[in-house]
Amino acid sequence: DAGVIQSPRHEVTEMGQEVTLRCKPISGHDYLFWYRQTMMRGLELLIYFNNNVPIDDSGMPEDRFSAKMPNASFSTLKIQPSEPRDSAVYFCASSFLTSYNEQFFGPGTRLTVL
Amino acid sequence: GESVGLHLPTLSVQEGDNSIINCAYSNSASDYFIWYKQESGKGPQFIIDIRSNMDKRQGQRVTVLLNKTVKHLSLQIAATQPGDSAVYFCAENTGTASKLTFGTGTRLQVTL
Repeated sequence: DAGVIQSPRHEVTEMGQEVTLRCKPISGHDYLFWYRQTMMRGLELLIYFNNNVPIDDSGMPEDRFSAKMPNASFSTLKIQPSEPRDSAVYFCASSFLTSYNEQFFGPGTRLTVL
Repeated sequence: GESVGLHLPTLSVQEGDNSIINCAYSNSASDYFIWYKQESGKGPQFIIDIRSNMDKRQGQRVTVLLNKTVKHLSLQIAATQPGDSAVYFCAENTGTASKLTFGTGTRLQVTL
């Protein structure tokens, strides 16, 4: 298995633009997570899905952020409109229900909002 | 993926020595405590977990100790190698299946 795949790996955009981050979880995993990592706040859970259904989005900063999982092999995290404070590394991770402490992280997307 | 940077506590260890990385937690109700490793430019990687009813668990070259009295968790790495250089995070499973809360991390530097 190729592991969790994220795209793009780097994204530079201007304030006000829409940004879409993509994730392909490991095949067969039941859970999918979106995290954000910054120097100031560390690694924060934004939202997670179980069998494609959003379970907890309490970490989503505000209405500008949205996430979808239309099927078991694809998820998106969208920011509209983007702001400089959204600059961070965004990670997608997935896990099995039976070993939920072991989350498999993707390589991350480094987002820079100018 | 770059881990949290400038203000991380740093542990410097000579190659071949044992490393001990510490973590304090706050939620007494957590079911599991977990250690992750994040190398530069990569996402975090699971190392080992321990259930809250245990005091010690061993893996390959690693041992995790849990002291619930003082809410303290530690990761011991035996015979530290250059490849162990990374940021180490402790995390708690707070009871909601699969939801982890990560600590701020400790940077381990292995010197030759």
